[in-house]
Amino acid sequence: GESVGLHLPTLSVQEGDNSIINCAYSNSASDYFIWYKQESGKGPQFIIDIRSNMDKRQGQRVTVLLNKTVKHLSLQIAATQPGDSAVYFCAEWTRTTGNQFYFGTGTSLTVIP
Amino acid sequence: EAGVAQSPRYKIIEKRQSVAFWCNPISGHATLYWYQQILGQGPKLLIQFQNNGVVDDSQLPKDRFSAERLKGVDSTLKIQPAKLEDSAVYLCASSSTSGSSYEQYFGPGTRLTVT
Repeated sequence: GESVGLHLPTLSVQEGDNSIINCAYSNSASDYFIWYKQESGKGPQFIIDIRSNMDKRQGQRVTVLLNKTVKHLSLQIAATQPGDSAVYFCAEWTRTTGNQFYFGTGTSLTVIP
Repeated sequence: EAGVAQSPRYKIIEKRQSVAFWCNPISGHATLYWYQQILGQGPKLLIQFQNNGVVDDSQLPKDRFSAERLKGVDSTLKIQPAKLEDSAVYLCASSSTSGSSYEQYFGPGTRLTVT
């Protein structure tokens, strides 16, 4: 089966610093990746996505980097704010597995004011 | 645009009882997903519908779980009988088949506690 894992289960950063959340995936055939943010008591919320033919994609205060050589994905959050405190999941999608997304365990980000 | 609606938000039942969850996806979204999220873990797909047909139910415990999506809009997920290990948040998500993004929009979830 698929294996999507995160390197660190928890991360604490000072407000205003940059945050980096990492994710390892096991299927080199994965076509598409999404980062989700999940706040307590809410469903996951889409942050940013990237296709396997890209190395980097930027959004508002967020950047996703994809390293297919080592099967590694990272989410960078610039100038982290208290509202960024949440659990972050990476999810991978592989065409061969029939439109199913596999989610990692998640990293809990805490922003210290 | 209204988001994905789910009800109830919370449910507490005893083991061996039955329970049902309801989901109303975003209007016009053809694809609907049910996920199970156990505390401390990422969501795990239980079943995926395309309109009112099942696309993937390979991880649905069919001896106790069932789901339907009549008329290709609302969906219900049922558990009968429930076990202690079914305690989790049940998330519904929907997505559009148009466009190049596979973005799924999630509802707030139903937190199920089985005692």
